[in-house]
Amino acid sequence: DAKTTQPTSMDCAEGRAANLPCNHSTISGNEYVYWYRQIHSQGPQYIIHGLKNNETNEMASLIITEDRKSSTLILPHATLRDTAVYYCIVSLNSGYALNFGKGTSLLVTP
Amino acid sequence: EPEVTQTPSHQVTQMGQEVILRCVPISNHLYFYWYRQILGQKVEFLVSFYNNEISEKSEIFDDQFSVERPDGSNFTLKIRSTKLEDSAMYFCASSHLGTSGSSTDTQYFGPGTRLTVL
Repeated sequence: DAKTTQPTSMDCAEGRAANLPCNHSTISGNEYVYWYRQIHSQGPQYIIHGLKNNETNEMASLIITEDRKSSTLILPHATLRDTAVYYCIVSLNSGYALNFGKGTSLLVTP
Repeated sequence: EPEVTQTPSHQVTQMGQEVILRCVPISNHLYFYWYRQILGQKVEFLVSFYNNEISEKSEIFDDQFSVERPDGSNFTLKIRSTKLEDSAMYFCASSHLGTSGSSTDTQYFGPGTRLTVL
């Protein structure tokens, strides 16, 4: 699987958009970009995934660059409950092991 | 909304004892996984299971570990002789197909079992 690089930590004010970047410059053509988050020691929670096109769901938006070497997860209106570690993972599909890495620790402040 | 459940939420055991961690995956899912997270460290893959056999495993998943789907609903992880370093959160996950990458096909995780080995 391709490796990903994420900032160690980020802050965001409550109500503002949180933009979490991820670099995956060695991604191959058939690998997806998955985003998960982990709140404290809870089980990882799926957020969104995509292949080439930008994706949006009720939780977030995923913007993938045209060359697919990087992506950004956008939480449009961050709340305190969005404080978590966010993981960007590249994988062929959901049947393979997910390599979680260290992720980005997002702190949403009042 | 369907979810993965795990029991117990916390298990305390003595070193050298056998433990069985239980998971009930989402009902129409076909792929099952175990991950673990040692306190303060990253989530690590242990094993994946499909069609009643292991499809992938990490180097962590040695002979002390085994997995089983004893019936149509449960998926278990057994550690035969626990060591202090097995203390961790153990997460079960499941996915529907594992092959399509479709918008509905992703791994869903349970809340975890905290295993403490004394």
